[in-house]
Amino acid sequence: AQSVTQPDIHITVSEGASLELRCNYSYGATPYLFWYVQSPGQGLQLLLKYFSGDTLVQGIKGFEAEFKRSQSSFNLRKPSVHWSDAAEYFCAVGAIGKLIFGQGTTLQVKP
Amino acid sequence: DADVTQTPRNRITKTGKRIMLECSQTKGHDRMYWYRQDPGLGLRLIYYSFDVKDINKGEISDGYSVSRQAQAKFSLSLESAIPNQTALYFCATSDWTRREQFFGPGTRLTVL
Repeated sequence: AQSVTQPDIHITVSEGASLELRCNYSYGATPYLFWYVQSPGQGLQLLLKYFSGDTLVQGIKGFEAEFKRSQSSFNLRKPSVHWSDAAEYFCAVGAIGKLIFGQGTTLQVKP
Repeated sequence: DADVTQTPRNRITKTGKRIMLECSQTKGHDRMYWYRQDPGLGLRLIYYSFDVKDINKGEISDGYSVSRQAQAKFSLSLESAIPNQTALYFCATSDWTRREQFFGPGTRLTVL
């Protein structure tokens, strides 16, 4: 069955530090992969997506993610975190017109 | 103006009451979805619709029903609300060519 796992429920980083949020998926075919961000009290906004091609994808707000088929992973990265990045982040895999979401990772940013 | 709107944004109701959450979109997408979000569980799919005549159950459809009144409108009903349906509910839309989904702002529902 298709599934998405985000191993880290909560992460705290200092402002200006680098960030990596982990995502592992289980899917039988070539996956469509997404990262969404949910700021407090807001809906979900798409950060980036992978369908095919270059395994390193760039998104909005300075985020990038790398698809690694051998590891079934799609980790999200940012070189330097800003206080405004504090939010909840969701990884998702597209499956037959639907999205399957991970449990989410809450990012806290220390001044 | 927002492309995907949800009404109401907040609702408090009592156990046993019937409640309807509404979703409208101006994106012209055929596909619409209802999710619920619970802390630590991410978003789980309740129902989805690929066009006006197509309704499908998602992962957690028990206790819910939906109506697709038009391409732009997709409503979620709780026939007899119970406290464990307290959650944040999201509507989303997509078109099959892009696959990504666009989310509304959410409805926070509390069942007492």
